[in-house]
Amino acid sequence: GDSVTQMEGPVTLSEEAFLTINCTYTATGYPSLFWYVQYPGEGLQLLLKATKADDKGSNKGFEATYRKETTSFHLEKGSVQVSDSAVYFCALSDHAGGTSYGKLTFGQGTILTVHP
Amino acid sequence: DGGITQSPKYLFRKEGQNVTLSCEQNLNHDAMYWYRQDPGQGLRLIYYSQIVNDFQKGDIAEGYSVSREKKESFPLTVTSAQKNPTAFYLCASSIPGRNEKLFFGSGTQLSVL
Repeated sequence: GDSVTQMEGPVTLSEEAFLTINCTYTATGYPSLFWYVQYPGEGLQLLLKATKADDKGSNKGFEATYRKETTSFHLEKGSVQVSDSAVYFCALSDHAGGTSYGKLTFGQGTILTVHP
Repeated sequence: DGGITQSPKYLFRKEGQNVTLSCEQNLNHDAMYWYRQDPGQGLRLIYYSQIVNDFQKGDIAEGYSVSREKKESFPLTVTSAQKNPTAFYLCASSIPGRNEKLFFGSGTQLSVL
């Protein structure tokens, strides 16, 4: 079945440091890939997405490139801020069978803490 | 403002008791979902509904039940058959035709007394 594996956390950085959170996946079809972010006490929000190989998703300074050859979708940001402290989830939606209906497969989440 | 409202924010269940978690949305979304979040395990799909009066089991439906009598409401009942109910429960909805972008509520933390 489908699965998503994220790098183990938590990740602790100083403000303005470079961020990478690794994400790899296995899927039977041609998945779309997502990063969701969960701020303390809140639900998840879509951060960015990519729907096909070599696509780059970007939002709020975060980027991730869909790498089919390495089955990866690593999240990066060049300079993190304290306000980026949150839990980050990598997810996929497999289009095998033609539809997904929001049946996302999530990774376990990576806690990011950014200190001033 | 449009959004998804989950209530209560915190809920406690006694042994043998059924409890119901509320989820209401005013986004006019057809599809709604319930996810369970456990520490270090990510989110797992419990039930989902694509239209009113129809719903399907997700990956971990045992011990849970749902109803979808109205488009804007999708309550989840955690029954006494669910032996490990302590978790954070998230409700979500999605735009018709764009089912991969989920809009989440702020969640309900369920604990067992």
